[in-house]
Amino acid sequence: GAGVSQSPSNKVTEKGKDVELRCDPISGHTALYWYRQRLGQGLEFLIYFQGNSAPDKSGLPSDRFSAERTGESVSTLTIQRTQQEDSAVYLCASSPQLINEQFFGPGTRLTVL
Amino acid sequence: GENVEQHPSTLSVQEGDSAVIKCTYSDSASNYFPWYKQELGKGPQLIIDIRSNVGEKKDQRIAVTLNKTAKHFSLHITETQPEDSAVYFCAAPSTSGTYKYIFGTGTRLKVLA
Repeated sequence: GAGVSQSPSNKVTEKGKDVELRCDPISGHTALYWYRQRLGQGLEFLIYFQGNSAPDKSGLPSDRFSAERTGESVSTLTIQRTQQEDSAVYLCASSPQLINEQFFGPGTRLTVL
Repeated sequence: GENVEQHPSTLSVQEGDSAVIKCTYSDSASNYFPWYKQELGKGPQLIIDIRSNVGEKKDQRIAVTLNKTAKHFSLHITETQPEDSAVYFCAAPSTSGTYKYIFGTGTRLKVLA
């Protein structure tokens, strides 16, 4: 079956511009996670959604970052007024339930010039 | 707060030898411990996981051991092959009111032919 998909795969933007990253989770997966991975680094938790519960936004690094999820489907991560330090790969993962395997998408590589 | 430490950061082994990667965690209530393999340009993929009601789990050349008392778990790869070369991440869920995952900083494994 289809896995987690993310778009775009690559995004190059100028400092100060807004960007929107999209994640399509596996159908039926109630949990959805966003991570940031800087070059050669580990996974930095950003936010997760679980069903209709309030999202855990504790990992968002600043108020320039926000994310939404429509029901149990697509999610978008928005970064406003991008900075060079936002350059990273943004990974999305979904899971059929909490405390279970996460299925990762291929990521979106964001480059801020 | 919750923390996951992973060692070593890099590991080189000869083909056919064994590799061991260790992680320690701080949240004693954590009950699920996955290991992910990330190949270049791809999202992480689960290779094995263990729940806190067992001490060891094995899947062909890969095994994970868990010591709940000491709060550490290890990945063991036997008879390593060049295709095992990748970055490996451990993770543990935070259970203090949320279900975000805390990932280790990763181990870059190189299997030398």
